[in-house]
Amino acid sequence: GESVGLHLPTLSVQEGDNSIINCAYSNSASDYFIWYKQESGKGPQFIIDIRSNMDKRQGQRVTVLLNKTVKHLSLQIAATQPGDSAVYFCAENNFGNEKLTFGTGTRLTIIP
Amino acid sequence: EPEVTQTPSHQVTQMGQEVILRCVPISNHLYFYWYRQILGQKVEFLVSFYNNEISEKSEIFDDQFSVERPDGSNFTLKIRSTKLEDSAMYFCASKQGSSGNTIYFGEGSWLTVV
Repeated sequence: GESVGLHLPTLSVQEGDNSIINCAYSNSASDYFIWYKQESGKGPQFIIDIRSNMDKRQGQRVTVLLNKTVKHLSLQIAATQPGDSAVYFCAENNFGNEKLTFGTGTRLTIIP
Repeated sequence: EPEVTQTPSHQVTQMGQEVILRCVPISNHLYFYWYRQILGQKVEFLVSFYNNEISEKSEIFDDQFSVERPDGSNFTLKIRSTKLEDSAMYFCASKQGSSGNTIYFGEGSWLTVV
């Protein structure tokens, strides 16, 4: 069954450094992947997405990498800022299926 | 920037009472969702709604839950008889088109059942 108070992986990064957050997914049929940022007490905020026909996609200070062979997704945040401190979730979806399946999340802390 | 809005932000209710959580999705969006997040856990899908009917629901979404789009702007989640384990943050979300479009989430309604 579900565990109460799931312990999140944590990552602490010095301000200004780059961070990499990883996510493994299990459904080989998933063809759309999204990274969300969640600050305390708030809803998930869209960061960047990628479709399964791509390996890499870049946004402002963020890059998502997709390795379908090993079913792995990563989010790279460049030049981290204090406002980047949050929990980051990956989510997956497959065409024809309306639900997003979220990962367990990683808590990123930026050290000033 | 358009956003999904939810009310109330926090509600405390007695076990067995009915609760209605309200959402105003982004105005030109066609697909609507409810998700929930129990404290400290990951976000879980409850239900999706399109063309005035449920398109998909999870095992969590049992007979105690219902959704409605009573007019052109609101989307509601009703819990008929709340249980302690219904205590969670409930997120409404919406997206414009079919699979692959970005899903935008509201700020959430925190439900505490006592």
